[in-house]
Amino acid sequence: EAQVTQNPRYLITVTGKKLTVTCSQNMNHEYMSWYRQDPGLGLRQIYYSMNVEVTDKGDVPEGYKVSRKEKRNFPLILESPSPNQTSLYFCASSLLTGGMNTEAFFGQGTRLTVV
Amino acid sequence: AQKITQTQPGMFVQEKEAVTLDCTYDTSDPSYGLFWYKQPSSGEMIFLIYQGSYDQQNATEGRYSLNFQKARKSANLVISASQLGDSAMYFCAMRDWGGSEKLVFGKGTKLTVNP
Repeated sequence: EAQVTQNPRYLITVTGKKLTVTCSQNMNHEYMSWYRQDPGLGLRQIYYSMNVEVTDKGDVPEGYKVSRKEKRNFPLILESPSPNQTSLYFCASSLLTGGMNTEAFFGQGTRLTVV
Repeated sequence: AQKITQTQPGMFVQEKEAVTLDCTYDTSDPSYGLFWYKQPSSGEMIFLIYQGSYDQQNATEGRYSLNFQKARKSANLVISASQLGDSAMYFCAMRDWGGSEKLVFGKGTKLTVNP
């Protein structure tokens, strides 16, 4: 089954304690990205990657890091989480568009609370 | 910069009636794609329908259709014969074919279907 898998689904942590949210896709997609969803703001892109070892900042990258060492994995790293990073996080993957319909497949989401 | 505007924070519809969710977009790129996603209360993002900027006909997928008016830069979602299970958040999104290929989201419309 084609899917994007995020872990964990729920996480409560304390300020300053480093954490990693994993994301893996089994569709051989080149493009992967992370979004955060906050009430009234929709989804905003944090980081994206167009291929292995190619990553770039999205709209709200401050406080986050990513890596793309393998095509299937795109972990999101919070080196020193703060309460304003409390949010619902989504990983998404897709083929690069080339002008065609390339829907983004989303993971189930990770609800992060930083206290 | 790309922008998606959804002006209806909330909408109500009676079961079995049709409903239109509004979406306007702004881009200077002639090549782009427009997407609608559904987010039920369980949180996952479900792809509904896609419209390419060069598509001549409006997209349809079952009970979903996209009313694409390119000159007005609008891409409204029409749901026919609403069902209780259609109650959810609905997000309009746009993706360009060059640059970051970022999927830009609107802030969403919460649809409630009443019995």
